[in-house]
Amino acid sequence: SAVISQKPSRDICQRGTSLTIQCQVDSQVTMMFWYRQQPGQSLTLIATANQGSEATYESGFVIDKFPISRPNLTFSTLTVSNMSPEDSSIYLCSSCYRELEQFFGPGTRLTVL
Amino acid sequence: AQSVTQLDSQVPVFEEAPVELRCNYSSSVSVYLFWYVQYPNQGLQLLLKYLSGSTLVKSINGFEAEFNKSQTSFHLRKPSVHISDTAEYFCAVTPNNQGGKLIFGQGTELSVKP
Repeated sequence: SAVISQKPSRDICQRGTSLTIQCQVDSQVTMMFWYRQQPGQSLTLIATANQGSEATYESGFVIDKFPISRPNLTFSTLTVSNMSPEDSSIYLCSSCYRELEQFFGPGTRLTVL
Repeated sequence: AQSVTQLDSQVPVFEEAPVELRCNYSSSVSVYLFWYVQYPNQGLQLLLKYLSGSTLVKSINGFEAEFNKSQTSFHLRKPSVHISDTAEYFCAVTPNNQGGKLIFGQGTELSVKP
């Protein structure tokens, strides 16, 4: 199995500010994913991050709001920009290993006041 | 486009009773199917998956799921549940042409009572 860590584990932020979430995996992976889990809801894919190329965003998510970096094969960041209370969610990163098995990080619980 | 529907948002059962958590999907292409579990205050873990071959797949803790292509279903079952099975269960699919990204259902909260 893979070990994925995220920082911070939780944060409380003021509206209009930005937060960068870090995701570290313990082995090199080609694909990393960022998901959002809004309160009481399921997980929704934000974007796919491949090393060496721009992230691919899902419908409803844009790079200006959720810029993503993928500087190497074990690390990625997601920034939530110009935050509003509607951005309060758990943000999770994951990576895909053999046989399409995805491992998830523990999540970052974001509260925007 | 693909979608996943979990028909029950909450399933309360008594310990040692059988349980079935229902999952249906919609897709214009072939998909791979997964069940993930999220125990209270823990991260998301893979419970079992169907990629190909036998349509009945099993987990190490007694859960099983059967892929039914004609009914586009992937229901999760366990013949006798334990208190420790209390968790949120998510059904998910990956279209076989989209490189591993997951589309999740709404989740089913399984609550096992003594």
